[in-house]
Amino acid sequence: GQQLNQSPQSMFIQEGEDVSMNCTSSSIFNTWLWYKQDPGEGPVLLIALYKAGELTSNGRLTAQFGITRKDSFLNISASIPSDVGIYFCAGPPTFYNQGGKLIFGQGTELSVKP
Amino acid sequence: DTGVSQDPRHKITKRGQNVTFRCDPISEHNRLYWYRQTLGQGPEFLTYFQNEAQLEKSRLLSDRFSAERPKGSFSTLEIQRTEQGDSAMYLCASSLGQQETQYFGPGTRLLVL
Repeated sequence: GQQLNQSPQSMFIQEGEDVSMNCTSSSIFNTWLWYKQDPGEGPVLLIALYKAGELTSNGRLTAQFGITRKDSFLNISASIPSDVGIYFCAGPPTFYNQGGKLIFGQGTELSVKP
Repeated sequence: DTGVSQDPRHKITKRGQNVTFRCDPISEHNRLYWYRQTLGQGPEFLTYFQNEAQLEKSRLLSDRFSAERPKGSFSTLEIQRTEQGDSAMYLCASSLGQQETQYFGPGTRLLVL
């Protein structure tokens, strides 16, 4: 089945730095979703992307739907300590009924040093 | 703002016991999903409902697992004869209509001793 690969697996950065992470697949996706998960909590939706090439922002977060439809990128500008957590990309499998399951990447763990 | 709620948040049980978890979706959402998440991994799909109909079950959902959504509102996930390998975070999510954005609850963390 379709899989999503995230990189890097973990990042250790200084407060104030910008962060970039990506998500790739060997097959196309028609929707990309980015979630953040804090320890012991459920994932929280950050950004949803629906169109190849789309660039969407949510505060300091910006995500892009890759032109090939096989990748997506998430950038965080001027990181702060509360950005700490695990970031997941997700999407519904292609050629699947809308509104069904999501496939998730394995996550990128972000640590921010004050 | 009432999001997705799950109960209990934590459950410790002994191997062989049955456990039941509850999920209350966002009130107007007609689709409800169950996922399982183990340490260091992303959530993995288990099953989903549209209103009261269970439309898909993953092969991860063994015969010991059963989910219901009797009135199309809240849902329960029961695990019978729990095994240590069932220890995980069980996440519930909901969505509206055909929208692909799913909103997650806080999860129920299960530990089987």
